[in-house]
Amino acid sequence: ETGVTQTPRHLVMGMTNKKSLKCEQHLGHNAMYWYKQSAKKPLELMFVYSLEERVENNSVPSRFSPECPNSSHLFLHLHTLQPEDSALYLCASSQDLGENTIYFGEGSWLTVV
Amino acid sequence: DQQVKQNSPSLSVQEGRISILNCDYTNSMFDYFLWYKKYPAEGPTFLISISSIKDKNEDGRFTVFLNKSAKHLSLHIVPSQPGDSAVYFCAASAGENYGGSQGNLIFGKGTKLSVKP
Repeated sequence: ETGVTQTPRHLVMGMTNKKSLKCEQHLGHNAMYWYKQSAKKPLELMFVYSLEERVENNSVPSRFSPECPNSSHLFLHLHTLQPEDSALYLCASSQDLGENTIYFGEGSWLTVV
Repeated sequence: DQQVKQNSPSLSVQEGRISILNCDYTNSMFDYFLWYKKYPAEGPTFLISISSIKDKNEDGRFTVFLNKSAKHLSLHIVPSQPGDSAVYFCAASAGENYGGSQGNLIFGKGTKLSVKP
């Protein structure tokens, strides 16, 4: 059983839809992350949260909106996405922000049609 | 410009032989390196890491070698097993004091390893 769980595992949405990806970590970690994995590209860091506060936003378009209500939960709200946003979205956590080893969830496959 | 490069997109090895996965980096500020393993439809799982103060770290069948002068690291799997078939990602970190980019692991594109029985 993974310590980081993501739902849904698969999502198909239209460009005008609003949907959300959910991540929950059961590891007691203080830092959480959203990564994007597109085909043939390296993993890209999107957002970083530490103790529920956003500490980094790597120039991500505003159609992606993160939310971290507590240190165990992280959401990625999606609105008016484009087909090129179709990718695997990975949530991850680490004990603290300075901790180099991070642990990933299984990912949410997003297809924008 | 990629700071972490895995130039071989795929590698095929016979069961029982050695698998060598390579990774090159360009940023001399990187001081911590990790390997992640990813099966289809799963997130990456941490495999092994090495700090820049070392040149070798071993964990069971997995050994990571770091050559700082060449900015090169490699992952050796001996002996290779069919269950090792996966995509392997190399990642690097410059630590929290570099560039203000905390928690940012820079990943390579991955190498798909196939171990044939």
